[in-house]
This record gives sequence, C-alpha cells and structure tokens, in this order.
Amino acid sequence: DQQVKQNSPSLSVQEGRISILNCDYTNSMFDYFLWYKKYPAEGPTFLISISSIKDKNEDGRFTVFLNKSAKHLSLHIVPSQPGDSAVYFCAAYYQTGANNLFFGTGTRLTVIP
Amino acid sequence: GAGVSQTPSNKVTEKGKYVELRCDPISGHTALYWYRQSLGQGPEFLIYFQGTGAADDSGLPNDRFFAVRPEGSVSTLKIQRTERGDSAVYLCASSAQGNTEAFFGQGTRLTVV
Repeated sequence: DQQVKQNSPSLSVQEGRISILNCDYTNSMFDYFLWYKKYPAEGPTFLISISSIKDKNEDGRFTVFLNKSAKHLSLHIVPSQPGDSAVYFCAAYYQTGANNLFFGTGTRLTVIP
Repeated sequence: GAGVSQTPSNKVTEKGKYVELRCDPISGHTALYWYRQSLGQGPEFLIYFQGTGAADDSGLPNDRFFAVRPEGSVSTLKIQRTERGDSAVYLCASSAQGNTEAFFGQGTRLTVV
C-alpha cells in the first residue's frame, strides 16, 4: 500500500526553466513532508521540508507547496540547473509514529543544458 | 567522520548465506533507521532505533532479518539464509533526537546470486 505517490517517473526541463515535481499522499495523519535528492551511488540528501501547518516553504531556488485538502505537494525549482539532475523523492511522516519516513517512488529530473 | 558511514558499499553473496551490514551514524545522533530500496522503488522502512532499543521493527519483512545497536551508536543489520529477493540497496539514516531531517549513508548494495 503506497501511501506516498509520485506518478511521474521522469521529467526533462531546459536549463533556466522551472521544474515542478509532484507528490500525492493518502494518509491524512501525515503532518510533515520532506523532499530528498539522490545522485547515483549516493544516499538521499535532505533538500527541503514543510510542516502541515504551512502551505509554502521557500529556500533559495527551491519552494515546496502543500495543499492539504487535495493531499498534494509539489517542489518547484527555478531556475533549473544541470546540477539539479538527480532522482527526487517525496517523503512524509506523522509525529505520533516512530518518525520513520514513507517515501514515494521518485522522479528522475534531467535538466538539459 | 562527519556523515553516516555504511560498510561494505557492495556485497555479493550466495543464496542461503548469512550477511551483516554495518552502519556508523553521525556522532551524537540517537535515532537510527534502516531502509531498503529495491530497483525502481523508494526507500522502504525496516527498523528504527532510539538509543540501544528497537523502537519500531514493524518494517522487517520476516524473521530472517534482525538488527542490533548494542551501544547506541553503530548498528548492524543481519540477514540469515539470504534469498535472491533480498537483493537491494540497504540504507541507514540517523537523526538527532527531536530532529526530523534524517541524514542518509551511501547505502550497501546487496546482491544475492
């Protein structure tokens, strides 16, 4: 039972344009959401997060938007750079649990120079 | 070291053998997690330690899998009677108590032949 879903396995974007990665979840108990970035042969690295009490969090070129009613979040990267090419995982957890993360299946972003 | 370290980085073993995978978390991090990532999937939770004790082992797939963290620092994931379906990347992560952003190691790629 996949509680966090990333329906687009891949995305290609031209350098300088906006990249939008989407994520949907089914468990309404989730109250914290994170995005991780993963390069080949490396572990995931934390990118940005958002609490369920917010609908937007921004950090430099990265912005995460949360729509709780739709159980949907998205990661915007603008402007996209070739070094952003990686697999992006959406993850969620709920604080009454053990803090373990529920991950989506990932979206491979390719930024074309 | 400054990050989470996992050894070995690659392990090839024969079906039916026993393997041990090691994780050195970030110094001072009390929470430690093991995840398993199969090809084309996101990481899936296996077990969570808070200090020396396994606070949640609900993700372990069966009794062939076991993990320990005897001194609250280094952890070892043990797999008995390995099967080809155990082939995956095993990821370890640690976080400071109360901190939600877990830091991942580079993973151990286990191949059972």
